[in-house]
Amino acid sequence: EDQVTQSPEALRLQEGESSSLNCSYTVSGLRGLFWYRQDPGKGPEFLFTLYSAGEEKEKERLKATLTKKESFLHITAPKPEDSATYLCAVQANSSASKIIFGSGTRLSIRP
Amino acid sequence: DAGITQSPRYKITETGRQVTLMCHQTWSHSYMFWYRQDLGHGLRLIYYSAAADITDKGEVPDGYVVSRSKTENFPLTLESATRSQTSVYFCASRAPGGGQETQYFGPGTRLLVL
Repeated sequence: EDQVTQSPEALRLQEGESSSLNCSYTVSGLRGLFWYRQDPGKGPEFLFTLYSAGEEKEKERLKATLTKKESFLHITAPKPEDSATYLCAVQANSSASKIIFGSGTRLSIRP
Repeated sequence: DAGITQSPRYKITETGRQVTLMCHQTWSHSYMFWYRQDLGHGLRLIYYSAAADITDKGEVPDGYVVSRSKTENFPLTLESATRSQTSVYFCASRAPGGGQETQYFGPGTRLLVL
C-alpha cells in the first residue's frame, strides 16, 4: 500500500535557525514526489516536484532532495513568513491522477 | 476573476441532511478533484473527474456523490451527512497533461455536522 509519513509533526525554530523536514514514502514505482506549502485557512500551494533519487530543487530558502525512500525539505536561515504547514505527497507510476498526501509538518519561525 | 472558487466557505448542518459543496474554476482545466483534510490524515482524495461527464472514485468515496455536467463546475454532495464527515473540503483543478505544478487548490469549505 502506498504510504507517506512526515516528521516531525510540528517544528518551532528561531529566525535564522536552519533545519530539515522529513518525508518517508513507500510506493510501487514512483512517478513523482511533491512538496506543498499550506497557510492557515487556505488550500495547498505547489512548491516542488522531484522525479528520481538524487534530484534536488531550490526556491529561495527552501531546498528539496530525494532518495529512494525519503525526501527532505531543507530550510536555510528561515524567516517568520516561512511559517506554514508543509505537505509531502507521492504519485505512483500506476496512477494517472491520484496522489497520496502525508499529514504535514507545522513549521513555526519565531522572530 | 480567474481561478478556482468554493462555496460556501463555512457550513453547519445536522446529521441526516443533504449538503452540496460547490466548486468552480475559470481555466477550463479538464481534471478536477475533491479532497478532505482531517487532523492526522492529511488530504485524502474523495472523487476526481478527468472531463465533463467522467468521474471516478478516490480513496474515501463512501457517503459522497459528484457530478460534472459542465467542465467548470464540480459539485460534491453529501447525501445524508454524518458527524464523521465533519472536515475541511478542498477542490482542485489541473490542466490535461500537466504535472502537479499545474494543479491549483481552492480555498476550502469548512463543514461541521452536528
